[in-house]
Amino acid sequence: EDKVVQSPLSLVVHEGDTVTLNCSYEVTNFRSLLWYKQEKKAPTFLFMLTSSGIEKKSGRLSSILDKKELFSILNITATQTGDSAIYLCAFKPNTGNQFYFGTGTSLTVIP
Amino acid sequence: NAGVTQTPKFQVLKTGQSMTLQCAQDMNHNSMYWYRQDPGMGLRLIYYSASEGTTDKGEVPNGYNVSRLNKREFSLRLESAAPSQTSVYFCASSGTLSGANVLTFGAGSRLTVL
Repeated sequence: EDKVVQSPLSLVVHEGDTVTLNCSYEVTNFRSLLWYKQEKKAPTFLFMLTSSGIEKKSGRLSSILDKKELFSILNITATQTGDSAIYLCAFKPNTGNQFYFGTGTSLTVIP
Repeated sequence: NAGVTQTPKFQVLKTGQSMTLQCAQDMNHNSMYWYRQDPGMGLRLIYYSASEGTTDKGEVPNGYNVSRLNKREFSLRLESAAPSQTSVYFCASSGTLSGANVLTFGAGSRLTVL
């Protein structure tokens, strides 16, 4: 059965810290891995990764995929209180229309 | 561009009552989805529709029905609500980005069943 595991489940850091969130997956027929940020509302899209070793970057956030070892990481540098959210990863297989989500990592950034 | 719009935002029901959550997207996406989100459980797929006229069960379909009314609209119906259906419900649609599919979510509907 395809599944996605995120770690840690929750994390509390101080402003300015750097955090690394992990997403590992056991899937057949991989097509893409997606990262979302969820504050007190709908998840919003951050990154989509399809190829190994290519870093996607947006400001202080970056993500990379390792298709051989079946994981992805999301890095946030110089964290701010506005980064406090649940971070979700999901994968999309090559066939079918479903997306499979992990349970998320809850990040709290304290001043 | 409104994206994905779902209504209502909040609803309180009594056990046994029925209701329909409405969802519409204006991005011309073929696929639409209903998820529920509970603490510690992540997003779980209830039903999805790959295209107009088709629907399929997801991970947790029991107690729900769906209708893909047209390409834009995908509704979720609870025929006889139960307290276990207290949750936050998200509608989403799927479009392509650089040749791969990406989900766009609605703002969510918080449902409480007493």
